[in-house]
Amino acid sequence: AQSVAQPEDQVNVAEGNPLTVKCTYSVSGNPYLFWYVQYPNRGLQFLLKYITGDNLVKGSYGFEAEFNKSQTSFHLKKPSALVSDSALYFCAVRRPSNTGKLIFGQGTTLQVKP
Amino acid sequence: DAGVIQSPRHEVTEMGQEVTLRCKPISGHDYLFWYRQTMMRGLELLIYFNNNVPIDDSGMPEDRFSAKMPNASFSTLKIQPSEPRDSAVYFCASSSGQEFQPQHFGDGTRLSIL
Repeated sequence: AQSVAQPEDQVNVAEGNPLTVKCTYSVSGNPYLFWYVQYPNRGLQFLLKYITGDNLVKGSYGFEAEFNKSQTSFHLKKPSALVSDSALYFCAVRRPSNTGKLIFGQGTTLQVKP
Repeated sequence: DAGVIQSPRHEVTEMGQEVTLRCKPISGHDYLFWYRQTMMRGLELLIYFNNNVPIDDSGMPEDRFSAKMPNASFSTLKIQPSEPRDSAVYFCASSSGQEFQPQHFGDGTRLSIL
């Protein structure tokens, strides 16, 4: 069965420190991987995606993600966290040739403290 | 460009009433998705359309829920009769046909059934 796991319900970091939000997946083939962010009372916003090529992808707001095929992981990272980064983060995966359906993780709340 | 537009943003109604949620996807997108988000169950895919045709409705909770897409620029999700357990935030999302393109979400409809 296809699945996405975000092992941490919440991640707490201090402003200015690096942050990592973890994601692992179980999907056959070479999936497409996505990160979304959700602020309160808003819809999910696309941050970045991995399709192929360089394992480190850069996205919006200074975020980046590292794809590791052997570990089937796609961790979200940022070198220096901001208080405004506090939000709910979702990892998602789509199997190639799938008809558009995304499989989402359960979400990780990021709390950045001043 | 206008994003995905959902209406209403908030809906409060009494149990047993019919509820209709509306969505206007991004122009040119040929996939449309309806999701439901709750604290208990997280983000759930209810149904999705491709070129106005329902592709997968396996996530629709029960027969009280129905969705239509009469044309490329409009979709509705209807609940009849509504129940308190239907209270949630309902999101609509759209994407282009290329499988590596992200989904774009509206800001949701917060539904409360009393």
